[in-house]
Amino acid sequence: GQSLEQPSEVTAVEGAIVQINCTYQTSGFYGLSWYQQHDGGAPTFLSYNALDGLEETGRFSSFLSRSDSYGYLLLQELQMKDSASYFCAVRDRQAGTALIFGKGTTLSVSS
Amino acid sequence: DTGVSQDPRHKITKRGQNVTFRCDPISEHNRLYWYRQTLGQGPEFLTYFQNEAQLEKSRLLSDRFSAERPKGSFSTLEIQRTEQGDSAMYLCASSLPGTDEQYFGPGTRLTVT
Repeated sequence: GQSLEQPSEVTAVEGAIVQINCTYQTSGFYGLSWYQQHDGGAPTFLSYNALDGLEETGRFSSFLSRSDSYGYLLLQELQMKDSASYFCAVRDRQAGTALIFGKGTTLSVSS
Repeated sequence: DTGVSQDPRHKITKRGQNVTFRCDPISEHNRLYWYRQTLGQGPEFLTYFQNEAQLEKSRLLSDRFSAERPKGSFSTLEIQRTEQGDSAMYLCASSLPGTDEQYFGPGTRLTVT
């Protein structure tokens, strides 16, 4: 089956950099996605990595190492509005088109 | 607004009753997904449509759950004989083919009393 591990909580201060790690086990890996969800809101897509390396989109970057079954989301210049839950998700051959989500990491940004 | 919409946003029902939720995806998206999310967990996949065809269904999905997408546009999710364990947020998402970027609706929060 599939499983994803990510820390349950991370705290940081405004302006800092934080890294949220995700390790996964799948039966046939296609790619790793990251989603952000604010309290009471819908998940919103942040990034997708299918190949090894770093993808940068503004203040957010995502990294993938397929050989290590590991990825991370890097958030720079943290702002209060970045306080949210962050989910890594994988799509693999067993899941087909569906995304399998981790349990999420709650990020709290303080001033 | 051209995002994914869901109706109703909240539903309170008594155990044993049937409920139906509706999802309107982004109009040009031919892929539609239903997920369920409980507190402190990530979304859990329920079922997937490509156009009007239901192509994937979670093995965890009880026979009490059924979904349709009759004309390849909006979709409905019905839960029969609801149980307290069905209480959750039911999320709908849509996407274009060939991408993992899914657009989620605001969800329907179901409370079974």
